[in-house]
Amino acid sequence: GENVEQHPSTLSVQEGDSAVIKCTYSDSASNYFPWYKQELGKRPQLIIDIRSNVGEKKDQRIAVTLNKTAKHFSLHITETQPEDSAVYFCAASPTPLVFGKGTRLSVIA
Amino acid sequence: NAGVTQTPKFQVLKTGQSMTLQCAQDMNHEYMSWYRQDPGMGLRLIHYSVGAGITDQGEVPNGYNVSRSTTEDFPLRLLSAAPSQTSVYFCASSYSSGADTQYFGPGTRLTVL
Repeated sequence: GENVEQHPSTLSVQEGDSAVIKCTYSDSASNYFPWYKQELGKRPQLIIDIRSNVGEKKDQRIAVTLNKTAKHFSLHITETQPEDSAVYFCAASPTPLVFGKGTRLSVIA
Repeated sequence: NAGVTQTPKFQVLKTGQSMTLQCAQDMNHEYMSWYRQDPGMGLRLIHYSVGAGITDQGEVPNGYNVSRSTTEDFPLRLLSAAPSQTSVYFCASSYSSGADTQYFGPGTRLTVL
């Protein structure tokens, strides 16, 4: 089955700096790559996703890039703010959806 | 719409006890799944279902049973609780498959003594 590796496990950045989280996957049949944000004590929520026919997708300060040849995808957050502090999960699918172990992002004001 | 609901929010069990975690959705979603979340381990898939009457195992199915008799409900049964099953359990649903936006329930925090 699918295996998703996520790095780093923790990341601290100064407010206003950029943050990058990287994931690799193993199953070449995977064609859907979402990113979820989980605030403390809350449920995970989708923030952005990308499908295998697209190399990059952007939504305001958040962008995701996908390299199918290398089987890796990344989340980029620019101009970080304290409210970006959370745990971020990458995931890959075909069904079922498999998650990485998460990255705890801390944005220091 | 209530979305995805889970009951109970908190539960304490003794080793060997059995119980059922309830999950329901009112969005007419075909795909439902159960994850457990442990510190440093991310979200690990226990079981999933692509429609009523169809279930399959995920990464960590041992000690858990599921059934899907209706589109709306997907209960998770712990057969004989063990301390290793202490975790936060999330149910999620999506329109048709794992390749759709997953909507998570609020979670159930389970402690097994």
